[in-house]
Amino acid sequence: GQSLEQPSEVTAVEGAIVQINCTYQTSGFYGLSWYQQHDGGAPTFLSYNALDGLEETGRFSSFLSRSDSYGYLLLQELQMKDSASYFCAVRDGYGQNFVFGPGTRLSVLP
Amino acid sequence: SQTIHQWPATLVQPVGSPLSLECTVEGTSNPNLYWYRQAAGRGLQLLFYSVGIGQISSEVPQNLSASRPQDRQFILSSKKLLLSDSGFYLCAWSTWEGGETQYFGPGTRLLVL
Repeated sequence: GQSLEQPSEVTAVEGAIVQINCTYQTSGFYGLSWYQQHDGGAPTFLSYNALDGLEETGRFSSFLSRSDSYGYLLLQELQMKDSASYFCAVRDGYGQNFVFGPGTRLSVLP
Repeated sequence: SQTIHQWPATLVQPVGSPLSLECTVEGTSNPNLYWYRQAAGRGLQLLFYSVGIGQISSEVPQNLSASRPQDRQFILSSKKLLLSDSGFYLCAWSTWEGGETQYFGPGTRLLVL
């Protein structure tokens, strides 16, 4: 089976940089995805890493190390609207279903 | 562009009553469809997924069932709701060509009393 681990909570101040880590155990690994979910809302896709290295999209970057079964989401120039839960996810084996991590709740303070 | 609909947005049901939640997708063909449940402050639990009409895979034993009567329609049902069925139900879709991205509907918040 698949399992993913994330810190449950992270707190940072506006303008700061925060890193949310994700470690995984999977079979048939394709890549690591990240989703953002605001309270009461649905998850929205942020980024995907299939290869080792850093992918940058505006203030958000995502990193993957396949050899370490580890990735992280980096949020720069934090804004209050970044307060949300962040989930990492992988595809389950060779199928079309997905497994999500438990989520990290990010609180951005003024 | 693709759109995913879920209804109702909120539902309050008594224990033992039936349930039917519907999800439809527009703007794509032959999507993979998913039902997730999320308890308050928790992660996403995959309940069912479907790669085609009439093809349903169940991830966890429960009193819920799913059906896919049409290519872009996914229905979550129960004959008798339990208190533990309360939660936020999310439908999502993906495509073989789209890789790892899943697109979620707005969700249905279910409260069983």
